[in-house]
Amino acid sequence: QVQLQESGPGLVKPSQTLSLTCTVSGVSMSSADYYWSWIRRLPGKGLEWIGYIHSSGYSYYNPSLKSRLTISVDTSENQFSLKLTSVTAADTALYYCATKPNSLYHFDYWGQGTLVTVSS
Amino acid sequence: QSALTQPASVSGSPGQSITISCTGTSSNVGSYNLVSWYQQHPGKAPKLMIYEGSKRPSGVSNRFSGSKSGNTASLTISGLQAEDEADYYCCSYAGSSTVVFGGGTKVTVL
Repeated sequence: QVQLQESGPGLVKPSQTLSLTCTVSGVSMSSADYYWSWIRRLPGKGLEWIGYIHSSGYSYYNPSLKSRLTISVDTSENQFSLKLTSVTAADTALYYCATKPNSLYHFDYWGQGTLVTVSS
Repeated sequence: QSALTQPASVSGSPGQSITISCTGTSSNVGSYNLVSWYQQHPGKAPKLMIYEGSKRPSGVSNRFSGSKSGNTASLTISGLQAEDEADYYCCSYAGSSTVVFGGGTKVTVL
């Protein structure tokens, strides 16, 4: 059974960098079967796709976040990470990591989510 | 990349059927049969209910079904039960290996 767990600071100051890590168990991240994904739930709004990365290094980002976003993968630790720079209050959200099967466009396994608040 | 449009809320009585719409454009929903639906209970992670428009993952009740007409996808819940009360989100492939989500629909069982 694939399991994902997000971790990282719950509070980030405006203009700083938001950094989160997702630890994966139950499957090797070296597997070609998945893209490793980040999705967030904005307060009072719906879900927003952030981006995903394959162990091969191919990555795809939401165009609205692309200039501030880096997603990376560490297969030796079975983890992948999100870095979002120059954050504002609009980046306050519940951040989820999830798996996307390769060549398909849905998300089948999800972490429980971690709340990140951007505030001074 | 604008969000897909969903009604804010839908309600129904136990045993009834309800349908949640998800309206996109010819750049996403209308061009691909790659819409997925997620159920989210408060404090829980989203759960995949439908993928590729109408397919159900193993373990998902056959009371949940998906369809599409033009630029609008739909999720129908038949035989509504109290446990179906949750938020529901649609998601569509939007080209260039990207996806877009809907704003979410709160389902209330009366």
